[in-house]
Amino acid sequence: QLQLQESGPGLVKPSEPLSLTCTVSGGSISIGTYYWGWIRQPPGKGLEWIGNIYYSGTTHYSLSLKSRVTISVDTSKNQFSLKVNSVSAADTAVYHCARLRPGRDFLYWFDPWGQGTRVTVSS
Amino acid sequence: QLVLTQSPSASASLGGSVKITCTLSSGHSNYAIAWHQQEAEKGPRYLMKVHSDGSHDKGDGIPDRFSGSSSGAERYLTISSLQSEDEADYYCQTWVSANVVFGGGTKLTVL
Repeated sequence: QLQLQESGPGLVKPSEPLSLTCTVSGGSISIGTYYWGWIRQPPGKGLEWIGNIYYSGTTHYSLSLKSRVTISVDTSKNQFSLKVNSVSAADTAVYHCARLRPGRDFLYWFDPWGQGTRVTVSS
Repeated sequence: QLVLTQSPSASASLGGSVKITCTLSSGHSNYAIAWHQQEAEKGPRYLMKVHSDGSHDKGDGIPDRFSGSSSGAERYLTISSLQSEDEADYYCQTWVSANVVFGGGTKLTVL
């Protein structure tokens, strides 16, 4: 059964970069069918898509975050990573990683999800 | 620009049923969507996909109490025989040009 686990620091100082890793177990990240994504959820708010990556390295980012975000993949470690530059309190959130599966009618959907990791931006 | 609209809240009685709606913005009524459930302090869980023809495909282990349907630009999640553990946030999600779009979420209260 495929599982995803986020890891990274729980506290980041304002203006510094935030770096998180998603480790995939129970399956290979290199299967050329899926995208792999990052999603975040600020306290008390809904889900916000950050971006996706294909195993080959092709990326797609949310327009609102594109200037500050980089997603990368390490197929040798079966991991993909997120970096957000110049963070502020607005970046405080629970960050989730998830696999994107393709299906009928050109839909990709998230399944499964990681449990999420809480990141607080504070000095 | 594709937008998914959900009512912020819904409520129904224990043992009853509820229908949660996700509305696709104008010009996008043929899009399929996925429903995800998020219980308090937990990661989201995929429930099902709902297509414009009204068909739905559930994820592994999702109880028969959960079903999906469609009408025009609206996609529905219906939960019957409501249980206390169904109290959660429900999000619809779709995919357009390699970008993901989420609805704002519906908080379900089981009375």
